[in-house]
Amino acid sequence: QKEVEQNSGPLSVPEGAIASLNCTYSDRGSQSFFWYRQYSGKSPELIMFIYSNGDKEDGRFTAQLNKASQYVSLLIRDSQPSDSATYLCAVMDSSYKLIFGSGTRLLVRP
Amino acid sequence: DAGVTQSPTHLIKTRGQQVTLRCSPKSGHDTVSWYQQALGQGPQFIFQYYEEEERQRGNFPDRFSGHQFPNYSSELNVNALLLGDSALYLCASSLGAGSGGYTFGSGTRLTVV
Repeated sequence: QKEVEQNSGPLSVPEGAIASLNCTYSDRGSQSFFWYRQYSGKSPELIMFIYSNGDKEDGRFTAQLNKASQYVSLLIRDSQPSDSATYLCAVMDSSYKLIFGSGTRLLVRP
Repeated sequence: DAGVTQSPTHLIKTRGQQVTLRCSPKSGHDTVSWYQQALGQGPQFIFQYYEEEERQRGNFPDRFSGHQFPNYSSELNVNALLLGDSALYLCASSLGAGSGGYTFGSGTRLTVV
């Protein structure tokens, strides 16, 4: 069973801090990795995707990928209360299915 | 540019009934995937349609079936509804395998009573 694991949280950080969200996956054949944000009662919204080992930055967001360790992370700099949401890690497995983790709930305290 | 549209937004059905959910993909997308999301859980992959064929299927029983039409729109059918089928059903569209990610619709909230 191919799996994507995330800590359910909640992860609580003060406004302005860096939030670090982590994800591990089991399928070594996975090629593409995604972070989605989901507000309560809403549908997932794509934040970033990453294919290659290393870091990818987009504004306040940085995705990090380490294929050897089967580990993906998302850093949110200068966290804002509006960033409070559930962050879903998703992995496209070797059969091209997009598999989601259960999500980490982030709470940014004003 | 229209995104992914789903209908209806909410639905209440009785155990044993059948339901059909509908999805129109984002303009330019040709692949539709369906997910079930229970409260507090991540989306679970049901199946994916491409060129009117079911290309991939997750661990869901045969009570869950689907269809894709020539205009790329799709339907999800669930027969013999169980209380446990109550969830948010999400449709996602992509171009091909979706290496650039999937775009999600706003979902259909199904409640089975």
